[in-house]
Amino acid sequence: AQKVTQAQTEISVVEKEDVTLDCVYETRDTTYYLFWYKQPPSGELVFLIRRNSFDEQNEISGRYSWNFQKSTSSFNFTITASQVVDSAVYFCALRPNFGNEKLTFGTGTRLTIIP
Amino acid sequence: ETGVTQSPTHLIKTRGQQVTLRCSSQSGHNTVSWYQQALGQGPQFIFQYYREEENGRGNFPPRFSGLQFPNYSSELNVNALELDDSALYLCASSRGPGTEAFFGQGTRLTVV
Repeated sequence: AQKVTQAQTEISVVEKEDVTLDCVYETRDTTYYLFWYKQPPSGELVFLIRRNSFDEQNEISGRYSWNFQKSTSSFNFTITASQVVDSAVYFCALRPNFGNEKLTFGTGTRLTIIP
Repeated sequence: ETGVTQSPTHLIKTRGQQVTLRCSSQSGHNTVSWYQQALGQGPQFIFQYYREEENGRGNFPPRFSGLQFPNYSSELNVNALELDDSALYLCASSRGPGTEAFFGQGTRLTVV
C-alpha cells in the first residue's frame, strides 16, 4: 500500500520569510514518482514538480526548491522569500512507475503568507 | 493548447438522484483520471481511462462509473447520490504513462 503524510496541516509565515513543507511517503515499489501540486482557492491543482525515485538530486526552480532523501522517504518543498501569491494548499503525491497513473495524495498543507 | 476543462463548475443534487460530470482532456492527451476531494482532504483516485478503456479503479462503489469517448473526453456518472458524495470532483489528463497529469478546475458537487 502507498501512503503520503503531510504532518503540517497549516502554516503561516510573514512575507519574505522562507518556509519548508514536509512530505513523508511509504511505498513497497522500488521505482516511483513523487509530485508536488499547488491548489489555489479556485480549486485547480497546479503541477509544480515531478521527481523520479532514481534521481536524488535536489532541484531549484526560482524561489522553489525540493529536497528528496530516499533514505528517510522524504520529499520536502521549500519556498524562499515567500510572497502573498504563494498562499494556497500544497499537496505531495506518490505514483508507481508502472501500471496506471493513480496518484496517492497527502492531506495537504495550507500555507498562508501574511503581508 | 487548451487545458483540461470540466463542466459544470457547481452542482446541487438531492440524495438519491443521479449526476453526470464532464471533462474535456488537454489536446494530445489520451488518458483521463477522476479524483474525489472531500473538504479538507487530499484527492482520492476514483478511476482512470486510457484509450476508452478503464485502466484502474480506486476504492469506490460501482455506483461510480465512467466513460471515455473517441476524442478522449470523459464522463463521470454517480448513481443513487449520498450526502457523503458532496465533494470537489477533479479530472486530470495526461499524454500517457510516465507523464505528468494536468488537472481541471473541478466540479463542486453538493448533495442535499
